[in-house]
Amino acid sequence: GAGVSQSPRYKVAKRGQDVALRCDPISGHVSLFWYQQALGQGPEFLTYFQNEAQLDKSGLPSDRFFAERPEGSVSTLKIQRTQQEDSAVYLCASSLIGQPQHFGDGTRLSIL
Amino acid sequence: QKEVEQNSGPLSVPEGAIASLNCTYSDRGSQSFFWYRQYSGKSPELIMFIYSNGDKEDGRFTAQLNKASQYVSLLIRDSQPSDSATYLCAGRGVKTSYDKVIFGPGTSLSVIP
Repeated sequence: GAGVSQSPRYKVAKRGQDVALRCDPISGHVSLFWYQQALGQGPEFLTYFQNEAQLDKSGLPSDRFFAERPEGSVSTLKIQRTQQEDSAVYLCASSLIGQPQHFGDGTRLSIL
Repeated sequence: QKEVEQNSGPLSVPEGAIASLNCTYSDRGSQSFFWYRQYSGKSPELIMFIYSNGDKEDGRFTAQLNKASQYVSLLIRDSQPSDSATYLCAGRGVKTSYDKVIFGPGTSLSVIP
């Protein structure tokens, strides 16, 4: 399968723990996006990469959130010192420049 | 003001009717628009995209774009119960010069058999 792959699908963590969410985009896709989706809401933009360059991180809620894509392929979204309000589905999408996005299945994060 | 706005619904239509979903955007520089369908617990899937003013048809779906009015719509003809989902409108190039995509909050559609 050549789709966007996200792992883990589900993550439960205790408040204060650090978590790392992985996104493996479609091969050759230059653009990579992270979104946060709360229940009943649309996806909220977090950050955008073009290859390895993080061109926009204006949507990251706080300095506890950090994303990287060091080789321009796989990306990791890290959340430090998790809080209950971080509970959400985290979606990753990739695309060619200017083309429609392809979404992964998401990671459902629950903070206890 | 949100950059992409939609009525949250729920919108209910009888089976076989036309469902009309609307979206407005604030940035005149937006280049292209996308409609995604999202079933509960699933990730968004692309239905239509539109770049130019006017209508674009694909099967039972028609997307309409009016850049002067900053308005995008999606019409679903012969609505089926399987069309019941949340429909997300997204705009690309919103307030940036690069490949940023911003989503609206989504409209929940319910097709009543």
